[in-house]
Amino acid sequence: AQSVTQLDSQVPVFEEAPVELRCNYSSSVSVYLFWYVQYPNQGLQLLLKYLSGSTLVKGINGFEAEFNKSQTSFHLRKPSVHISDTAEYFCAVSEASGSRLTFGEGTQLTVNP
Amino acid sequence: GAGVSQSPSNKVTEKGKDVELRCDPISGHTALYWYRQSLGQGLEFLIYFQGNSAPDKSGLPSDRFSAERTGGSVSTLTIQRTQQEDSAVYLCASSLQGMNTEAFFGQGTRLTVV
Repeated sequence: AQSVTQLDSQVPVFEEAPVELRCNYSSSVSVYLFWYVQYPNQGLQLLLKYLSGSTLVKGINGFEAEFNKSQTSFHLRKPSVHISDTAEYFCAVSEASGSRLTFGEGTQLTVNP
Repeated sequence: GAGVSQSPSNKVTEKGKDVELRCDPISGHTALYWYRQSLGQGLEFLIYFQGNSAPDKSGLPSDRFSAERTGGSVSTLTIQRTQQEDSAVYLCASSLQGMNTEAFFGQGTRLTVV
């Protein structure tokens, strides 16, 4: 069965600092990987996804993530964060032949001035 | 509509009552998902509909939970004999084909069982 672990429940950073939100997954088959963001009082929206091909994936709002198969990781990065990036970030995995999207428990990113 | 619509946005019910939560997916999306988000926790998978295939109900926490999808469009999640532990935000999402396409989420229904 697939599973997702987000290693940090809360990440506080200062504005314009770089940030990395960590995600590790477990699966015995090929997977698709996703990062979703949930801004305060809003629904989830897709940041980026990895299906196949290049292991470095670029998403919206300057975020990117790198798929590392040997380390079963899909960490999310941004070189310089803004106050508006404050939100909950969810990593998710689905098996290529499966029927469910499994989410991690989320990482609360708080960007301070 | 332009996005996934869920109703009601908020529901307060007494313990033991039945509730129905509605989801209108994006037109043309064949895949529909229900998730539950409890305070301070991640998203818990409940059920997945894909076209005319049998739904994946493996995430439903008990037989008090059921869901239907009529005509491949609107879905209703029913919780019978609600318990306080059912209090959560219930999220619906739809996607064009399935797991490799972006899932669009509704704003959710916040259920409070008192």
